[in-house]
Amino acid sequence: AQSVTQPDIHITVSEGASLELRCNYSYGATPYLFWYVQSPGQGLQLLLKYFSGDTLVQGIKGFEAEFKRSQSSFNLRKPSVHWSDAAEYFCAVGYQGAQKLVFGQGTRLTINP
Amino acid sequence: EAQVTQNPRYLITVTGKKLTVTCSQNMNHEYMSWYRQDPGLGLRQIYYSMNVEVTDKGDVPEGYKVSRKEKRNFPLILESPSPNQTSLYFCASSFSGNEKLFFGSGTQLSVL
Repeated sequence: AQSVTQPDIHITVSEGASLELRCNYSYGATPYLFWYVQSPGQGLQLLLKYFSGDTLVQGIKGFEAEFKRSQSSFNLRKPSVHWSDAAEYFCAVGYQGAQKLVFGQGTRLTINP
Repeated sequence: EAQVTQNPRYLITVTGKKLTVTCSQNMNHEYMSWYRQDPGLGLRQIYYSMNVEVTDKGDVPEGYKVSRKEKRNFPLILESPSPNQTSLYFCASSFSGNEKLFFGSGTQLSVL
């Protein structure tokens, strides 16, 4: 069965520091991959997605992610975090043309001033 | 303004009392889906719909029903709610399944 693992439940970084959130997936074919962000009390917002092509994808708010097929990973990165990046981040895998979507457990990001 | 509207925002009910959570989108999206969010489990897909009268099960469909009689609406029906359905529910839509999902603001459901 398809699955998504986000190994870090909670990460704390200082403002201005770099960030990497990990995501590993289990799926036999090339997946559709997504990162979403959820601010407190809000719905989810798409940061970026990968379907094919260049394995390094750029998203909104200065985020990027790299697809590594050999590691079944799709890690999210940002060179310098801002206090407004504090939120919960979800990695997701789509299959059956991305009609079915499986989310990871989420990583809560706290920013220290 | 492009949006997905869910109602109600908060709902407290009792075991066995049928309820419906409505979802409407104004973007002419073909794809709509429902998720529940529980602490430590992320979001899990309940049902999805590719178009009018076309629906299919997600990962956790037990105890839920959906219908898609109009393109803009995709209600979630709990015919006999139980306490284990207490959760935060999100509706989402997109032009197709592999495009950016637009999420509603969520419905916090408590079943006593």
